[in-house]
Formats: sequence, C-alpha cells, structure tokens
Amino acid sequence: QQQVKQSPQSLIVQKGGISIINCAYENTAFDYFPWYQQFPGKGPALLIAIRPDVSEKKEGRFTISFNKSAKQFSLHIMDSQPGDSATYFCAASSSNTGKLIFGQGTTLQVKP
Amino acid sequence: GAVVSQHPSWVICKSGTSVKIECRSLDFQATTMFWYRQFPKQSLMLMATSNEGSKATYEQGVEKDKFLINHASLTLSTLTVTSAHPEDSSFYICSAEGLAGLQFFGPGTRLTVL
Repeated sequence: QQQVKQSPQSLIVQKGGISIINCAYENTAFDYFPWYQQFPGKGPALLIAIRPDVSEKKEGRFTISFNKSAKQFSLHIMDSQPGDSATYFCAASSSNTGKLIFGQGTTLQVKP
Repeated sequence: GAVVSQHPSWVICKSGTSVKIECRSLDFQATTMFWYRQFPKQSLMLMATSNEGSKATYEQGVEKDKFLINHASLTLSTLTVTSAHPEDSSFYICSAEGLAGLQFFGPGTRLTVL
C-alpha cells in the first residue's frame, strides 16, 4: 500500500519534444504528490507538486495531471531542453505522517 | 529561501570508524527533518524521521544503534554512522520540513567506507 510505481525507467526525447512520466499509487490516504528533479551527485529539487483537490497544475513548462479515481498522476515537460536531462522522481505523502514515498525514478535524456 | 545544507559533502573513512553528517536548515526552522539513503541509480529510501527534542523514528530494517540521529535544535539534525563498513557506502540525503509541510532537500553527502 505504501508503494509508488513510476514509469518509464528511462526516456529519450528530442529537443523541443514533450516528456511524459507516469506514476501510480495505492494508498488513498496520500494527499500530496510532488515531483523532484535530481542531477548526478546532487540532492533532489522540488519541481512542482499537486494536491488531490485539483486535476492539473502548470508551472512554466512543467504540468502535473492528476487522476484521483485511477490513483495516477503524471509529469509533462513541454518543449524539453538538453538542460532538462536528469533523473525525475515522483513521490507521495499523507499529511498524517509527512513521510515521502518515492517512485523508482526516470532518467530523462533530451537530445539536441 | 528554504535552503538546506549538509556537511560534509563527501567523506572517505576506514572500516570500523564512525562518521557524523550534519544537516542544517539555513533560513527556516524545521521541527521535523528526514534522513534518506540512495544507492547508485536507485531511488531515495527513507531511513528515519527526526523530530526536534525527541527520539528519531526509524523505518523498518534500519538499525537505530548503527545510524544515530540527533535533532538538538530547530535548524540542525545529525546522522552518525557508527562502526561504518563498506556496505554503508552510499549517498545520504537529508530534508527539512518547512511551511505547509513541504520538504526541502540538502545536497547530499557521499560516504565511502574503505
């Protein structure tokens, strides 16, 4: 029930294309769904996050789509750039514990 | 704002020695801090939740006597890896919980045990 499943494991996108990463969860108590970007040898940085009261949130080129009934959420990176090449993690937590449960990660490579 | 630092950024030690890693929230107070471990090309695994002024809560399978956590102030938590062995070599990352429950991560500490 604590798992967050993320796919794909790796993704290659051409510059200017759309990168899409998907996550699914089981625990209906989760009420906070962030996405993190991590570069090699660095800590993860918060990109964008959503709570279940909205179905979509957009910040710049990054959009989260959230489907509460399907218990799925996804990250869309529009106009992908080589500088976006990194590992992306979805995560989920409940306000009861505050503990973040991370997905397995997706390594994104944006080709110039 | 919401900057979290870790010290040291990397450390190499001999097997059997203890290593202390510091996690500081620089511009906010954090009642709760979290410690994670990340092996190469893997995800972050929560090790423990650290609350200021009280004992840490460890996740299942994490040895509390091996990974000592002290959260003595609202801006500092420390993780001590006692009697480190090569299998403890990993990337250790802390996070601090700020306003609205958001977690802000430190830059990580690379531990190599020879």
